[in-house]
Amino acid sequence: GAGVSQSPSNKVTEKGKDVELRCDPISGHTALYWYRQSLGQGLEFLIYFQGNSAPDKSGLPSDRFSAERTGGSVSTLTIQRTQQEDSAVYLCASSPGPRDSPNYGYTFGSGTRLTVV
Amino acid sequence: LAKTTQPISMDSYEGQEVNITCSHNNIATNDYITWYQQFPSQGPRFIIQGYKTKVTNEVASLFIPADRKSSTLSLPRVSLSDTAVYYCLVGDRGNTGFQKLVFGTGTRLLVSP
Repeated sequence: GAGVSQSPSNKVTEKGKDVELRCDPISGHTALYWYRQSLGQGLEFLIYFQGNSAPDKSGLPSDRFSAERTGGSVSTLTIQRTQQEDSAVYLCASSPGPRDSPNYGYTFGSGTRLTVV
Repeated sequence: LAKTTQPISMDSYEGQEVNITCSHNNIATNDYITWYQQFPSQGPRFIIQGYKTKVTNEVASLFIPADRKSSTLSLPRVSLSDTAVYYCLVGDRGNTGFQKLVFGTGTRLLVSP
């Protein structure tokens, strides 16, 4: 697609429920990242996928958080037993690849605003 | 990953040049410097990236001194639409060409008429 697509754009869920957030990266981008941004705060790294390598999960805040990337394309971030402190905007980004790429930046989606009530 | 320090906020007026400086004293040899812009309710947008000296594109210029311990994002003749949060990041592209970006709190730029 033309950009990184995330769905849903907004999600309200009850405390204790599980949620799934979806990210469709730019076609051909081999790297995919998830970040979280709380209101008025900077971005917090969660996880990133890099081709067929094992993902870097070092930013996941707890074992309630997990992510998958199927077929090297679409990714799903799952939060189990949601808590109110999980409320934030969850942003996905993808990156094109080789270090000699003329445009090396990440492209971010518009995010999913998650509200846990 | 190198830690960055940048001003929390800056104010400017339309038509002025804005320079936002970022300190990264512990930058490593393989680290690149990247700047992003974020508007409310949107994801960050890549602005510019550099390794040393000066880089210029259609949006901004990036000045990096020889010691690379700081960098300055220069926005020429800002407009109201440049009001946003600007993030400075440093990171290693890594062996496979990817870098895991760590965002700080950014600089909130307010452009007034």
